Amino acid sequence: EPEVTQTPSHQVTQMGQEVILRCVPISNHLYFYWYRQILGQKVEFLVSFYNNEISEKSEIFDDQFSVERPDGSNFTLKIRSTKLEDSAMYFCASSPDRGDQPQHFGDGTRLSIL
Amino acid sequence: SQQGEEDPQALSIQEGENATMNCSYKTSINNLQWYRQNSGRGLVHLILIRSNEREKHSGRLRVTLDTSKKSSSLLITASRAADTASYFCATDGAAGNKLTFGGGTRVLVKP
Repeated sequence: EPEVTQTPSHQVTQMGQEVILRCVPISNHLYFYWYRQILGQKVEFLVSFYNNEISEKSEIFDDQFSVERPDGSNFTLKIRSTKLEDSAMYFCASSPDRGDQPQHFGDGTRLSIL
Repeated sequence: SQQGEEDPQALSIQEGENATMNCSYKTSINNLQWYRQNSGRGLVHLILIRSNEREKHSGRLRVTLDTSKKSSSLLITASRAADTASYFCATDGAAGNKLTFGGGTRVLVKP
């Protein structure tokens, strides 16, 4: 069964550094998402992406965050200048379309900011 | 903003027993989804129930939705040790595909 893949599985970065998290969504899916889960807290929506542009973003997704689909398969999340509070699991998801569609999640990237 | 809140936060049962968990939310939804998360892994989609549906089955899973009470329940019948995981409800609101997750129910199935 096709799956969403994320790399790396664990990223350790110094505070203030830029980090790029990578995702390969399921190939025929059209909608892409990033969520994060701070340890012990709820999964939180960050951003959704469709047709090469952001369709919705949360308050968390400020100017330090950006997303890109640089080619036909990858979907990336960049954090420009990381803060300690950015430490979390970051999940990528994709869905075939909008509407009543399940979202398929990757296994996540654990981001640790030192 | 809408929130899914699960109850109980944790549940411990013997293999073969049924597990029931509940979810409440605050605003209008298009659908409500249940996901499972094994420790250190991603979220696995279990079942989606639309706002105009009241009950849905998938294998050993049964989900109900009561939009008048803004609540849903997930029943796992004849539980197995492999069902040990955290279970989350997530609501898809009227504005689009953004999912709002609850805090989850941790289920431990003892063999």
